[in-house]
Amino acid sequence: GENVEQHPSTLSVQEGDSAVIKCTYSDSASNYFPWYKQELGKRPQLIIDIRSNVGEKKDQRIAVTLNKTAKHFSLHITETQPEDSAVYFCAASPGQNFVFGPGTRLSVLP
Amino acid sequence: SAVISQKPSRDICQRGTSLTIQCQVDSQVTMMFWYRQQPGQSLTLIATANQGSEATYESGFVIDKFPISRPNLTFSTLTVSNMSPEDSSIYLCSVGPAMSTEAFFGQGTRLTVV
Repeated sequence: GENVEQHPSTLSVQEGDSAVIKCTYSDSASNYFPWYKQELGKRPQLIIDIRSNVGEKKDQRIAVTLNKTAKHFSLHITETQPEDSAVYFCAASPGQNFVFGPGTRLSVLP
Repeated sequence: SAVISQKPSRDICQRGTSLTIQCQVDSQVTMMFWYRQQPGQSLTLIATANQGSEATYESGFVIDKFPISRPNLTFSTLTVSNMSPEDSSIYLCSVGPAMSTEAFFGQGTRLTVV
């Protein structure tokens, strides 16, 4: 089955700097790659996603890149703000469900 | 998008008892998913609930421990049976309108077993 790895497990950045989180997946059949943000005590919320026919997608300060050949995808957050502090999960979908990465705890220091 | 109401939001239960978690969606969906999120961990899929058929369980999860009902296209329940402290976790239901699209989550049920 699908296996998703995610690095780093924790990340601290200064406010205004960029943050990058990387994920790898194992199943070449996976064709959908969402990123979820989970604040403490809250449910996961989708922040951006990308499909296998696209190499890059951007939404304001957030971007995701996908390299299908290498089976990895990355989340880029620019101009980080304190409210970006949360746990971020990548996921891969080989079909009807998702396999989540272990998560990255991002701390944005003022 | 889908709005999901999940209850209870939290509960403290005695070991050996059972708890049933309810998940209500504001629209009809084919599949509903139940996840477990242990403290500080990622989301692990327990099972997929299809209306009109048996739920499909992931490796490590069995029907006797986590029976699931799916009586219609907008509702599902997950029961955590014969609970032990190791079952203390957050349980989340989720829906996706179709394959390879966004998943929406309920607010989660924080279960503590004492």
